[in-house]
Amino acid sequence: EIVLTQSPATLSLSPGERATLSCRASQSVSTYLAWYQQKPGQAPRLLIYDASSRATGIPARFSGSGSGTAFTLTISSLEPEDFAVYYCQQRSNWPRRYSFGQGTKLEIK
Amino acid sequence: EVHLLESGGGLVQPGGSLRLSCAASGFPFSSHAMSWVRQAPGKGLEWVSGVTGGGGDSFYTDSVKGRFTISRDNSKYTLFLQMNSLRADDTALYYCAKDLGAFAFDLWGQGTMVTVSS
Repeated sequence: EIVLTQSPATLSLSPGERATLSCRASQSVSTYLAWYQQKPGQAPRLLIYDASSRATGIPARFSGSGSGTAFTLTISSLEPEDFAVYYCQQRSNWPRRYSFGQGTKLEIK
Repeated sequence: EVHLLESGGGLVQPGGSLRLSCAASGFPFSSHAMSWVRQAPGKGLEWVSGVTGGGGDSFYTDSVKGRFTISRDNSKYTLFLQMNSLRADDTALYYCAKDLGAFAFDLWGQGTMVTVSS
């Protein structure tokens, strides 16, 4: 089973600052990694898939990078609406399983 | 409009059963794999089960294997999750999610709450 570990658990920043969130896989997932944003009381929203492709309607300030076991989600300049919990997710092929990281809470400093 | 709407959650005693449904609209349902993802109160996301577009293959996380069964009725644009032998640690908000086809979920419902308690 592939385990995803996100860091930091909590990130405290101010609007306008740059946010860098990390996700590490216990074994290579190639580029089969996605990132989601979840706000309180809402369903998760897909931000990035295939490690670096932005989902439909996602602002350009969100970007993803990495391959293999190390991945990064970058928010270039934080807007007030970006403060939320972020999850990474991967899918393994055999056996076919999906798994999520434990989440990073991005909070206003 | 693309939409997923879950139903069927509720309060059930340990050992009991529930059947969740997810009604889809606005996209070619049979062309997409679908999954159930759950979130225990105050916790993170956990993938539970998935099924291919045609319904021929299904997949489960280890903790629900043998107790939960995923299925779909493509003619009715509906996804199901039959949950038997429910335990307290199955208590969670259950989301259905559409597979983008790139190992990611691009559409989520609002979830249905399952509470297992005596």
